[in-house]
Amino acid sequence: DAMVIQNPRYQVTQFGKPVTLSCSQTLNHNVMYWYQQKSSQAPKLLFHYYDKDFNNEADTPDNFQSRRPNTSFCFLDIRSPGLGDAAMYLCATSPRVADEQFFGPGTRLTVL
Amino acid sequence: KNQVEQSPQSLIILEGKNCTLQCNYTVSPFSNLRWYKQDTGRGPVSLTIMTFSENTKSNGRYTATLDADTKQSSLHITASQLSDSASYICVVSGEEFYFGTGTSLTVIP
Repeated sequence: DAMVIQNPRYQVTQFGKPVTLSCSQTLNHNVMYWYQQKSSQAPKLLFHYYDKDFNNEADTPDNFQSRRPNTSFCFLDIRSPGLGDAAMYLCATSPRVADEQFFGPGTRLTVL
Repeated sequence: KNQVEQSPQSLIILEGKNCTLQCNYTVSPFSNLRWYKQDTGRGPVSLTIMTFSENTKSNGRYTATLDADTKQSSLHITASQLSDSASYICVVSGEEFYFGTGTSLTVIP
């Protein structure tokens, strides 16, 4: 089945220790998104790729970076995680920017 | 300012009962409105998508309505089941996506 896969599902890291979250898709969608969702809050868009074009939200901290080496994969790098970065990180894809988004199961990040 | 507001924030109902969740938005221009179901610890899953010209759309026991004039949408759940316990998120697409904060639904036996 075509799907959006996120690894790992749970990630524990130490304060200040870099961490990378992974997202892959078999939908062959052009657009891939990364969202941060904290408890009882709506997902907050961090950035998205349209093909290889990177689009960063204005209020996304510099601590968050992303890579998309090919159509199928997209990575979220948190260079120096702080306690406030503990959250669920959701990856989503869509054929085009305004189209329906398909979400992965998320990665729950804990920062110690 | 483009906003999406959902009510109630949380809701507890008995299994088998019906409920209605509300979504009001001020997004302009408007492209479409989606309702997502998000189980605890999981990613959101799409329930319905509605465009400007659609008033009602059903997906099993879920029925969404849209009034584009008043910029209101509702999600009606019929004969609730324990598995309906989740957060329900309204997402409005305009020039970008605007997420509501969700309604947390708990269905109890």
